[in-house]
Amino acid sequence: EVQLVESGGGLVQPGGSLRLSCSASGFTFSDYAMHWVRQAPGKGLEYVSAISSNGGSTYYTDSVKGRFTISRDTSKNTLYLQMSSLRPEDTAVYYCVRGWGGVGDFWGQGTLVTVSS
Amino acid sequence: DIVMTQSPDSLAVSLGERATINCKSSQSVLYSSNNKNYLAWYQQKPGQPPKLLIYWASTRESGVPDRFSGSGSGTDFTLTISSLQAEDVAVYYCQQYFNTPPVTFGPGTKVDIK
Repeated sequence: EVQLVESGGGLVQPGGSLRLSCSASGFTFSDYAMHWVRQAPGKGLEYVSAISSNGGSTYYTDSVKGRFTISRDTSKNTLYLQMSSLRPEDTAVYYCVRGWGGVGDFWGQGTLVTVSS
Repeated sequence: DIVMTQSPDSLAVSLGERATINCKSSQSVLYSSNNKNYLAWYQQKPGQPPKLLIYWASTRESGVPDRFSGSGSGTDFTLTISSLQAEDVAVYYCQQYFNTPPVTFGPGTKVDIK
């Protein structure tokens, strides 16, 4: 059974940092690109970041470039999102998503990040 | 980036009746070399993550009931629920994966019971 379990969310002050983790199981982690998609409270879906199956290519949406870093550890079957210089507008549920060709075929339950003083 | 729009924003349909959601992309998502439309649909129930329903505009994901169907090509697409069930109450999103990254999502359509 495919499982994606996010962790690391919480309340952080503006300007602070947080690292999200996504533990993957039930599939060959190194075969898939992985993505982070976020959803602000009551809003739609926003594509945040992606990393290729071998970790050699990454993508960031403009609003997080220079502040967020995506990475993966195949030995631990874990995806990460290091977030720094956090802003109130980064407040959202962050979903870890398994993807093929851009299609998100399996989503984790999400972890809530709240940026507030 | 390709911009996705959806209509209506919300709709209420009686149980057993048809629900139709439209999605439009700012440029074609049809790849001529393989004749595939790079368009997916997701369902998000309250308090849950999105779930993949349809990809290649009309291919149902494994386990998705056949009352869900996708159609369209190029820039105009439709998700149809042929006979609405109570468990179909959700927000539905279309998404293009033609120019990826990034993928882009539509704003969502909320489906309720009338």
